[in-house]
Amino acid sequence: DSGVTQTPKHLITATGQRVTLRCSPRSGDLSVYWYQQSLDQGLQFLIHYYNGEERAKGNILERFSAQQFPDLHSELNLSSLELGDSALYFCASTSGDEQFFGPGTRLTVL
Amino acid sequence: AQSVTQPDIHITVSEGASLELRCNYSYGATPYLFWYVQSPGQGLQLLLKYFSGDTLVQGIKGFEAEFKRSQSSFNLRKPSVHWSDAAEYFCAVDDAGNMLTFGGGTRLMVKP
Repeated sequence: DSGVTQTPKHLITATGQRVTLRCSPRSGDLSVYWYQQSLDQGLQFLIHYYNGEERAKGNILERFSAQQFPDLHSELNLSSLELGDSALYFCASTSGDEQFFGPGTRLTVL
Repeated sequence: AQSVTQPDIHITVSEGASLELRCNYSYGATPYLFWYVQSPGQGLQLLLKYFSGDTLVQGIKGFEAEFKRSQSSFNLRKPSVHWSDAAEYFCAVDDAGNMLTFGGGTRLMVKP
């Protein structure tokens, strides 16, 4: 158990819909990173937040957005979903130079 | 931009045999390098990391990796594989902004 929690574990939805994925970092960690793991793209960095502020963006689509709240939990919002958005979405938090990954949310878009 | 290549998509070894998983990176400066393992349906677990110093690093579960700057490689090794090591292994490089770039992964299968 990494100490990073993600909800829900699984999510099934239809094309065109909007979903919100939630992540709570390890106690005391200020950073949250979001990654997408798909069959065709592999593991890709999406976005990084530190203490409520966006720090870096990776290959994140405009239909996707994220935020980090004052209690340090983060939400990743995915809208206008397409079949290709089906993937495993991980968040991670950092202690020093090590990232600790949550168990992921598996999103299936039908 | 940095990149990571894991040339072997699948590897099958017999239980008790030695293992080496290859990783090559492209990065301008001295990289921070990591190996992660992902068991089916699970998140990523850190096996080991290299930041500086001794180029042979020891990790958990009996794994080690050697950083070779001249070859831009960071290969993962284990002297004797156990059936429980069957999983997918990812090499990653950190651009010092804590943004990890991952290789495509190597799926390890272990024959009894």
